[in-house]
Amino acid sequence: AQKITQTQPGMFVQEKEAVTLDCTYDTSDPSYGLFWYKQPSSGEMIFLIYQGSYDQQNATEGRYSLNFQKARKSANLVISASQLGDSAMYFCAMKGTSYDKVIFGPGTSLSVIP
Amino acid sequence: SAVISQKPSRDICQRGTSLTIQCQVDSQVTMMFWYRQQPGQSLTLIATANQGSEATYESGFVIDKFPISRPNLTFSTLTVSNMSPEDSSIYLCSVEFYQGIYTQYFGPGTRLTVL
Repeated sequence: AQKITQTQPGMFVQEKEAVTLDCTYDTSDPSYGLFWYKQPSSGEMIFLIYQGSYDQQNATEGRYSLNFQKARKSANLVISASQLGDSAMYFCAMKGTSYDKVIFGPGTSLSVIP
Repeated sequence: SAVISQKPSRDICQRGTSLTIQCQVDSQVTMMFWYRQQPGQSLTLIATANQGSEATYESGFVIDKFPISRPNLTFSTLTVSNMSPEDSSIYLCSVEFYQGIYTQYFGPGTRLTVL
C-alpha cells in the first residue's frame, strides 16, 4: 500500500527566511512520482513541483526546491525567502504504478510571520 | 498547463436535496478526477471519469450517491445526491497532463455546505 506522511501539522516561519516542510512516503513501486501542492484559504490547489523517482537531480521551481532522499523515502519541500503570500496548506502527494492515482498526505499549515 | 473552471464556486443546500457540479477544461483530456476535501482534511479521490465509459469509483464511494457524467473530452459533472451535513466539503475536479513530466491540475473547487 502507498502512504504519505507529513508529520508537521503546523509550521511558522519568519518572512524572508527559508523553511522546510517534511514529507515521507511508503511504496514498493520501483517507479513513482512525488508532488507538492499549495492550497491557500481560497481552496484552490496549486501545483508547485514534481520529482520522479528516477530523476538524478532534485527538482527546483523558482523559490521551491524538493530535497529528494530516495533511500530515506523522503521528499521535503524547501521554500526559500518566504513571503507573506506563502501562508497556506501544503500537501505532499504521490503517484505510483501499482495504484496509479495520486494520493495526498494530511498536509502542513504554513504561516509566514512579518 | 490546463485551465479548469467549476460551477458553482459555492453553494448552501438543504438536507435531502441534490447538487450537480460542473467541471470544464480548456483542452481535451482523457481522464478527469473528482476529489472531496472534508473540513480540515486532505483530499480523497471519489472517482475517475473517462469519456465514453462508466466512472470508476474508489472504495467508500458509490454511483448512487455520486453519479458522474463525462459526455466529452472537456467536460464532466459530479452530482452529490440526497445530501446530508456530512457531505459539506470542497469538491475539486482535476485533470492529468503529460508535458515531459506527469502533472495533475485542479479546478478552483466547489465549496458545499449542507444544512
